[in-house]
Amino acid sequence: GDSVTQMEGPVTLSEEAFLTINCTYTATGYPSLFWYVQYPGEGLQLLLKATKADDKGSNKGFEATYRKETTSFHLEKGSVQVSDSAVYFCALSPSYNTDKLIFGTGTRLQVFP
Amino acid sequence: EADIYQTPRYLVIGTGKKITLECSQTMGHDKMYWYQQDPGMELHLIHYSYGVNSTEKGDLSSESTVSRIRTEHFPLTLESARPSHTSQYLCASRRGEGPYEQYFGPGTRLTVT
Repeated sequence: GDSVTQMEGPVTLSEEAFLTINCTYTATGYPSLFWYVQYPGEGLQLLLKATKADDKGSNKGFEATYRKETTSFHLEKGSVQVSDSAVYFCALSPSYNTDKLIFGTGTRLQVFP
Repeated sequence: EADIYQTPRYLVIGTGKKITLECSQTMGHDKMYWYQQDPGMELHLIHYSYGVNSTEKGDLSSESTVSRIRTEHFPLTLESARPSHTSQYLCASRRGEGPYEQYFGPGTRLTVT
């Protein structure tokens, strides 16, 4: 079945460092792809999304490109801040059932000043 | 900012008590979901609804029940709470058909003693 694999954390960075969180997926057809962020004590917020191959989602300095050839949707940010410390979830919505979201296991990011 | 609310935010309750976790959204979304988030952060779908009078069980078996009498309201009930029910519960909703994201509430952290 469809699935999402993302890198294990925690990812620990200094402020202003470059961030990459890897996400790969297995899916039939053409799923939609999402990154969600969960700050401590809160629910999930949509960070960005892409609905077709080669689309680039971006928001708040974060970017991810839907790569069909490598089945990947890696999250990047050029310069992280302490306020970016959170858990990041990669997710896909299958093309055969757009009502469903399949999540990765989450990656905790810790940014130190 | 998504308009989806959960109450209470935190609940500590003794074994055997009946509890209801409330979830409401003001966006007019037909589709609503309940997820259980374990301490390792992983998200598990436990219930979903496609509209009024529609409820379905999710991927993870749960002793909880849900109802959908009004579009905006999707409460979750545990008839007899047990320590194994201790978890974070997240409610979400989305609109229509197609590759639309789910909007999440802030969550209820339940502790059963």
